[in-house]
Amino acid sequence: DSGVTQTPKHLITATGQRVTLRCSPRSGDLSVYWYQQSLDQGLQFLIQYYNGEERAKGNILERFSAQQFPDLHSELNLSSLELGDSALYFCASSVRGRETQYFGPGTRLLVL
Amino acid sequence: QQQVKQSPQSLIVQKGGISIINCAYENTAFDYFPWYQQFPGKGPALLIAIRPDVSEKKEGRFTISFNKSAKQFSLHIMDSQPGDSATYFCAARVGTSGSRLTFGEGTQLTVNP
Repeated sequence: DSGVTQTPKHLITATGQRVTLRCSPRSGDLSVYWYQQSLDQGLQFLIQYYNGEERAKGNILERFSAQQFPDLHSELNLSSLELGDSALYFCASSVRGRETQYFGPGTRLLVL
Repeated sequence: QQQVKQSPQSLIVQKGGISIINCAYENTAFDYFPWYQQFPGKGPALLIAIRPDVSEKKEGRFTISFNKSAKQFSLHIMDSQPGDSATYFCAARVGTSGSRLTFGEGTQLTVNP
């Protein structure tokens, strides 16, 4: 158990809908990262937050957004969902920014 | 170029054998190279990592070999066990552009008993 928790574990929704994925980092970790894992794209970095502020942005679609709250938990919002958004979404955390990233168990999103 | 190329895509070895997974990169700004292990239904977990000023790092049965001039690094699993059956990802990070990890495509390892 990495200490990173993600909810929900599974999510099934329809095209055009909006969902929110939640991540609680390990106790004491200030950085949160979001990654998308799909069969055709592999593991792709989406976005990083550090102590509430956006730190780095990767291949994140404009339909997706994230935030980190004062209690350091983070949410990834996915809107106008398309079939191709079906994937595993992982959250990871680290103490600050350059240390080991610990991954959560992921949220499996299925868009029908 | 931020890509990390990983091979093979899948690997089958016998119990007790040596598993070798290779990765190559182009961006010389990468300064940290971790390997992650992922079991079905779980998130990736850090296995071992190396920095480019070291040519080899060993932790138990797992060894990373790093060739800076060739821009290649590899994971060796000695005395492979059925419990090692998982997907392995190499990754790389550029320290100056935040802490994002760029992952290889993954290698599905099966160790037969």
